[in-house]
Amino acid sequence: GNSVTQMEGPVTLSEEAFLTINCTYTATGYPSLFWYVQYPGEGLQLLLKATKADDKGSNKGFEATYRKETTSFHLEKGSVQVSDSAVYFCALTRDTGRRALTFGSGTRLQVQP
Amino acid sequence: NAGVTQTPKFQVLKTGQSMTLQCAQDMNHEYMSWYRQDPGMGLRLIHYSVGAGITDQGEVPNGYNVSRSTTEDFPLRLLSAAPSQTSVYFCASSSPAEGRASPLHFGNGTRLTVT
Repeated sequence: GNSVTQMEGPVTLSEEAFLTINCTYTATGYPSLFWYVQYPGEGLQLLLKATKADDKGSNKGFEATYRKETTSFHLEKGSVQVSDSAVYFCALTRDTGRRALTFGSGTRLQVQP
Repeated sequence: NAGVTQTPKFQVLKTGQSMTLQCAQDMNHEYMSWYRQDPGMGLRLIHYSVGAGITDQGEVPNGYNVSRSTTEDFPLRLLSAAPSQTSVYFCASSSPAEGRASPLHFGNGTRLTVT
């Protein structure tokens, strides 16, 4: 079946540091890949997505590249801000009919001033 | 913009009680779903619906019922609450516009505690 593995958190960084959150997946075929972000007390919001190999998703300074050869979709940001503190979820979907996502366990990011 | 609205935000139940978690969306999305979020486990799909009158089971459906009588509403019923159902529940919706790449729009969640 499908699965997503994320690095465990929490990840604690100083403001302006470089961020990488690792995500690898297991799925047959060609899944679509997503990063969602959850701010305290809120639901998840789509951060970025990629639908085919070598696609790069980007939004708000965050980037992730769909690497089929390494089955990875690592999230990066060059300079984090305190406002980026949140929980980040990597997810995939293959099933058009159900449109159901398989989520990773989430990685909490804390950015200190 | 209301988006996806969930009520209540918090709920405490005793074992064996029943209740309904409400979910409504105003985006005319065909697809709606319920997930539960547990520490260290990400989100897991409980039930989903691809349109009014059509529902199906997800990954962890036991102990929950759903119905979809309108496009807007997708309530989740706990038939006889158990402590294992203590969790945060999220409702989500999406449109078919982008196929499987369509983003899910989430509500703010219902935190349920079963004692």
